[in-house]
Amino acid sequence: QKEVEQNSGPLSVPEGAIASLNCTYSDRGSQSFFWYRQYSGKSPELIMSIYSNGDKEDGRFTAQLNKASQYVSLLIRDSQPSDSATYLCAVQGGGATNKLIFGTGTLLAVQP
Amino acid sequence: DADVTQTPRNRITKTGKRIMLECSQTKGHDRMYWYRQDPGLGLRLIYYSFDVKDINKGEISDGYSVSRQAQAKFSLSLESAIPNQTALYFCATSEGGTGYTFGSGTRLTVV
Repeated sequence: QKEVEQNSGPLSVPEGAIASLNCTYSDRGSQSFFWYRQYSGKSPELIMSIYSNGDKEDGRFTAQLNKASQYVSLLIRDSQPSDSATYLCAVQGGGATNKLIFGTGTLLAVQP
Repeated sequence: DADVTQTPRNRITKTGKRIMLECSQTKGHDRMYWYRQDPGLGLRLIYYSFDVKDINKGEISDGYSVSRQAQAKFSLSLESAIPNQTALYFCATSEGGTGYTFGSGTRLTVV
């Protein structure tokens, strides 16, 4: 079982719709959770972080965390073609090293 | 100027050559990391360092070495490059429990 799992996609949504990206993780001791956006050939860019159960909103982005189900999601409202990118879920383990474990990413395509 | 700077941006090298990728940061973070990214495999950790005297292997360290010359500088070396080391390489920094800040990447091709 992979430590952080994401559907590779592509997830295709029409412009203006809500895009829902999902991630599951295996380490129950994980403390911190992050979503990165990566355009093709570019570096990952941190867009959301979440540390406690529930929802966290920032502009058009909402991160949702359910530690009991070991599940993290990212909702993008009013999706725009510029949101087309790969979205990486990253989980920080509960061990001493606190390294981030990355999923392989979900490719989102927003259709104009 | 970028917070995390990687040089070179692109490099083509021949099999068997030694090559160094450099990373410097102005964020004042103690923790630095080297990742490689391959299509379908995601980001894989090569080495990481929590301070100048602390160097640790990641999941795919074979064929690589690193040097932490100062808090702000962390270099990755390929001692004898081979074609399957062709990849996109990223340096990243972090502070405690916060997310990572990535450099702009080095696209390395070994022919």
